[in-house]
Amino acid sequence: GAVVSQHPSRVICKSGTSVKIECRSLDFQATTMFWYRQFPKQSLMLMATSNEGSKATYEQGVEKDKFLINHASLTLSTLTVTSAHPEDSSFYICSARETSGSGYEQFFGPGTRLTVL
Amino acid sequence: GDSVTQMEGPVTLSEEAFLTINCTYTATGYPSLFWYVQYPGEGLQLLLKATKADDKGSNKGFEATYRKETTSFHLEKGSVQVSDSAVYFCALSDRGAAGNKLTFGGGTRVLVKP
Repeated sequence: GAVVSQHPSRVICKSGTSVKIECRSLDFQATTMFWYRQFPKQSLMLMATSNEGSKATYEQGVEKDKFLINHASLTLSTLTVTSAHPEDSSFYICSARETSGSGYEQFFGPGTRLTVL
Repeated sequence: GDSVTQMEGPVTLSEEAFLTINCTYTATGYPSLFWYVQYPGEGLQLLLKATKADDKGSNKGFEATYRKETTSFHLEKGSVQVSDSAVYFCALSDRGAAGNKLTFGGGTRVLVKP
């Protein structure tokens, strides 16, 4: 149980285009999902906290107009990188926290590698 | 604010060697502590966790004990295998923090040679 999927796993796009990444909780409901960015050989940086049915909360320094987050249902959150540039190339990882239970554990997706040419 | 400090890698070991990765934390509340493992090209997998002082988390031969007095959560494994080669992240979730955000350490790369 507690499986989180991400789609796509890899994406290559041209500079100036937008890319949408999906994060799904497959076998549980997730009121809260988190989006992280990971640079090569570095730790995860929290970008934003996504709550179902409300606006995402962005961490300091993360441009909310560039990284659009939509959490329309209890099993799906999307991250759209708008007008992508090469510096946006990174490994994007989502996680989901179960609505029920003690609620402190996050389950991570396998990540999406974005390459912007 | 909350922070996690873990030993820098890379750590290179021979198969069947003993592994220790140190992790210390600072938190304002009463955190839960986690170790995550990331294999090459993959996302993070929860390795083990502890939710209160003196709890011991264990999984796949790995162990870590929540030490409140030393604010530590060191990861240990008695006999590593080549398949344990990965990056290990120590993390905390402060129950007092909004959204129970995870705060990660910098990660420790472990390479086990046959």
